[in-house]
Amino acid sequence: DQQVKQNSPSLSVQEGRISILNCDYTNSMFDYFLWYKKYPAEGPTFLISISSIKDKNEDGRFTVFLNKSAKHLSLHIVPSQPGDSAVYFCAASGEVGGSNYKLTFGKGTLLTVNP
Amino acid sequence: EPEVTQTPSHQVTQMGQEVILRCVPISNHLYFYWYRQILGQKVEFLVSFYNNEISEKSEIFDDQFSVERPDGSNFTLKIRSTKLEDSAMYFCASSGLAAQETQYFGPGTRLLVL
Repeated sequence: DQQVKQNSPSLSVQEGRISILNCDYTNSMFDYFLWYKKYPAEGPTFLISISSIKDKNEDGRFTVFLNKSAKHLSLHIVPSQPGDSAVYFCAASGEVGGSNYKLTFGKGTLLTVNP
Repeated sequence: EPEVTQTPSHQVTQMGQEVILRCVPISNHLYFYWYRQILGQKVEFLVSFYNNEISEKSEIFDDQFSVERPDGSNFTLKIRSTKLEDSAMYFCASSGLAAQETQYFGPGTRLLVL
């Protein structure tokens, strides 16, 4: 059951460049999307979210873009910093099966930012 | 900044034993959750809790699992008779006043069942 897919297990970028992390979803009932960052042995840390009524949300170096027709979202990090190196999870929620509480996660993408 | 805390950080137990994982959600939050992540796999939803009752539970959350909010601050997950396959990181999360708000996660409890 892969309702949220992150097809790139890893991504490597140079410090100062843009990092683009991608996420696809299959369930059209999802209407709220979040990105979390996770370091080893820690819990997911919330980064940024977007509601389906928007197509872009920006917070400092982080921007999330949502393309509802393609069921695709992406996280842009500009400029990338070595401290951004972590696993990034895409998550979604919505009125799925009568519930809008639970988050459905992708498998994550390991971002490595090289100095 | 308010944060979700969890204890213990690590727990090792024998198969068949009961474990209780503890969480202190963010103080003004009303929705509470447990998720788990088996090594190398996705973070999976277990259960959500609101107004002192379970709102939703996944297929994983069978009769061996239970949740409780014994007082105004703690939120616990009990596994009555642990199995080897319960070994995972268990994350508690909480969110605020509306059902579809950002969920904030604790640091997790690493459970190892031997």
